[in-house]
Amino acid sequence: EAGVAQSPRYKIIEKRQSVAFWCNPISGHATLYWYQQILGQGPKLLIQFQNNGVVDDSQLPKDRFSAERLKGVDSTLKIQPAKLEDSAVYLCASSLDPSVYYEQYFGPGTRLTVT
Amino acid sequence: SQQGEEDPQALSIQEGENATMNCSYKTSINNLQWYRQNSGRGLVHLILIRSNEREKHSGRLRVTLDTSKKSSSLLITASRAADTASYFCATVLTGSSNTGKLIFGQGTTLQVKP
Repeated sequence: EAGVAQSPRYKIIEKRQSVAFWCNPISGHATLYWYQQILGQGPKLLIQFQNNGVVDDSQLPKDRFSAERLKGVDSTLKIQPAKLEDSAVYLCASSLDPSVYYEQYFGPGTRLTVT
Repeated sequence: SQQGEEDPQALSIQEGENATMNCSYKTSINNLQWYRQNSGRGLVHLILIRSNEREKHSGRLRVTLDTSKKSSSLLITASRAADTASYFCATVLTGSSNTGKLIFGQGTTLQVKP
């Protein structure tokens, strides 16, 4: 089966610019996650969707980050305006039913560099 | 905040040797998972152990869980150069069992020398 798709793979922007990342989960997976992974650290959950509804966005910096999952399939994560500390890898993951199958499947990530 | 702390931060061994990584956590969990991350394949799920289990095996992987000490260990036997990667433990807290929210540790970087 096809895995989680993400684009772009790399992005370099200047601070105060905006950027958007796209994710397409595994077909049939109702739950979609966005993580931020800073170099040398483990991934940190930013937002979790169940179908097109938000389950958890407690760690999403809502003054600059936004995410949507229209139609309950693919999702977009946006940063506006970007700061230097946003430089990280942004990972998208999906799962079938997180209350039963706890394994998450990750995409290759988007490496963001903010200069 | 990160729930898990991993030890050691970095580990270097020779091919054929065993590698052991440890993970400690702070609050009650539903399950604990181990993931591997390398540049070639991204972040990949390795094994899951539930809070009522003490040991699980999968191929060359052996995971133990001690809920009284709030700790887990991952043993990779007969390591190979291809095992070179970063290994992360991730917990699903008891209160998050319906959402499956993962909290990752900082990871252990393993280098296996041929």
